[in-house]
Amino acid sequence: GAVVSQHPSRVICKSGTSVKIECRSLDFQATTMFWYRQFPKQSLMLMATSNEGSKATYEQGVEKDKFLINHASLTLSTLTVTSAHPEDSSFYICSARSDRGFNEAFFGQGTRLTVV
Amino acid sequence: AQSVTQLGSHVSVSEGALVLLRCNYSSSVPPYLFWYVQYPNQGLQLLLKYTSAATLVKGINGFEAEFKKSETSFHLTKPSAHMSDAAEYFCAVSFSGGYNKLIFGAGTRLAVHP
Repeated sequence: GAVVSQHPSRVICKSGTSVKIECRSLDFQATTMFWYRQFPKQSLMLMATSNEGSKATYEQGVEKDKFLINHASLTLSTLTVTSAHPEDSSFYICSARSDRGFNEAFFGQGTRLTVV
Repeated sequence: AQSVTQLGSHVSVSEGALVLLRCNYSSSVPPYLFWYVQYPNQGLQLLLKYTSAATLVKGINGFEAEFKKSETSFHLTKPSAHMSDAAEYFCAVSFSGGYNKLIFGAGTRLAVHP
């Protein structure tokens, strides 16, 4: 299957700093990428949907100024957590939708963010 | 409202026993249904999907699921559990066609003991 690479896999940052997480589709073009957040022992919560070249669509309750999403190319989307706080600590997962076949979405391996 | 319910947050089986993970959905339109597996600190891997073709869907690692419209269910089964099947399993549904937006169930943690 297609590969989605998410980087970094783990990051620890200080409160008040910003952290950027990258999501790359390695062998296919993805016009749409999704960003999820997962709390311990819970399910995935969709944060936003990003389409290449346009603004991301955020789910209700997700602060767009807090979680900046950029989808500048067909193979790269980034999520920047700005002015991070300890409550932002979570597992963030991206998925990229392929343009071929059934438009199947493939998931990255996730990023464990810890804000201290 | 559209939703997905996974009955049982934890399921424990013996190695070699039948695995049954339950998933029910609510929808007023035909859904697309998926099962994903997640290993610790990793992303999700697609096990199988139902896309309005055959109601019995076979996936990877010996898993299969049957779409039952009358019961609004899409339960995941495997005849014989392996130790390596221990993981978190998520049922997901898409109501707008394809993978436009996935709604995930709460997940079921499968434990396999010798």
